[in-house]
Amino acid sequence: GQQLNQSPQSMFIQEGEDVSMNCTSSSIFNTWLWYKQDPGEGPVLLIALYKAGELTSNGRLTAQFGITRKDSFLNISASIPSDVGIYFCAGQPGGATNKLIFGTGTLLAVQP
Amino acid sequence: DAGVTQSPTHLIKTRGQQVTLRCSPKSGHDTVSWYQQALGQGPQFIFQYYEEEERQRGNFPDRFSGHQFPNYSSELNVNALLLGDSALYLCASSGRQGANSPLHFGNGTRLTVT
Repeated sequence: GQQLNQSPQSMFIQEGEDVSMNCTSSSIFNTWLWYKQDPGEGPVLLIALYKAGELTSNGRLTAQFGITRKDSFLNISASIPSDVGIYFCAGQPGGATNKLIFGTGTLLAVQP
Repeated sequence: DAGVTQSPTHLIKTRGQQVTLRCSPKSGHDTVSWYQQALGQGPQFIFQYYEEEERQRGNFPDRFSGHQFPNYSSELNVNALLLGDSALYLCASSGRQGANSPLHFGNGTRLTVT
């Protein structure tokens, strides 16, 4: 099935460092979303972006909807141990449903 | 306020068997989507139900079928199970079909086919 290109695949950082990850697509999306998934749980919505160029923050998290509508990035500032998990981007093509196409995921490990 | 709930949490089946997974949407939500997440990959869209009808379907064979009930809960059925059907099956609900309504996911059902 179709998946978005997400990078990096994994990151191993020290507590307090900033993190950046991005997602690209060959198709245009109407909505970009970022989810975090912990082991044994479902994805939890972090940020939703609805307009090209939109920059949105949620605490230490900041995400942007690319101008071309084919990319998005997520930044995490001052990382803490509980930031550990897998981060997924997801794009919504629009139309009749809110079906999502997910990225390949970024595994984040934070060392105290 | 209960979120999306799924049952069972884990399931082991044998090749060729049939399985039914269940989902109750978040309170106030009327649209249910199902996703399959293989190990190490992102979730893949199976189908979406709204007003008790399948509204859109991903690239999955007819062995995968579903149903939505009047109370908005949903079932995913998989017939003639294959080893490759082993995955985490996620249910997601949203508030308005077709609108900018973010999906909220349950914790999934881990299906193992032996």
